Amino acid sequence: GEDVEQSLFLSVREGDSSVINCTYTDSSSTYLYWYKQEPGAGLQLLTYIFSNMDMKQDQRLTVLLNKKDKHLSLRIADTQTGDSAIYFCAERVVKLIFGTGTRLQVFP
Amino acid sequence: DAGVIQSPRHEVTEMGQEVTLRCKPISGHNSLFWYRQTMMRGLELLIYFNNNVPIDDSGMPEDRFSAKMPNASFSTLKIQPSEPRDSAVYFCASSLRTGAGGYEQYFGPGTRLTVT
Repeated sequence: GEDVEQSLFLSVREGDSSVINCTYTDSSSTYLYWYKQEPGAGLQLLTYIFSNMDMKQDQRLTVLLNKKDKHLSLRIADTQTGDSAIYFCAERVVKLIFGTGTRLQVFP
Repeated sequence: DAGVIQSPRHEVTEMGQEVTLRCKPISGHNSLFWYRQTMMRGLELLIYFNNNVPIDDSGMPEDRFSAKMPNASFSTLKIQPSEPRDSAVYFCASSLRTGAGGYEQYFGPGTRLTVT
């Protein structure tokens, strides 16, 4: 079946790295996505990775994909208070299946 | 482009009333999605359209919910009659779906619905 799981909360100090993890179940996923949701707003696409890649870097963001274990992670380097939000991973199997979201809190 | 536009941004209504949520997708996009977000159930896909045609409505909770897309620039999600358990934030998203593969969805700001 289709299921995407994430931990619910992550708290980090400003300037440290944040790592948000996600597991998915459908091995036929073609693309995997990370979305960010700020309070009172819709989801905004941060980055995505094609399933035949194992890493993608985009400025402060690094996405790692372990297809064997069906594990996806998002690393945010030098985390800032503006990064505080809910982060959703999603897999694309015809349609997007979203995870439960991880609330990232950044404290000074 | 103004992005995906949703109206109203907030809606408070009494149980039993009809509620209509509206969405204007990004010009040129050919896919449109309606989602519902609650604390208990997270983000749920209700229905999506490709080229104005409903493709998958398996997420629509029950017959009280209906969605239409009469043209490429407008869609509605209607709840009739509304119930308190329908209280949620409803998001509309649009994308340009191509045959090549991946596509990103652009989300609107959402409509916060409260049914009392």
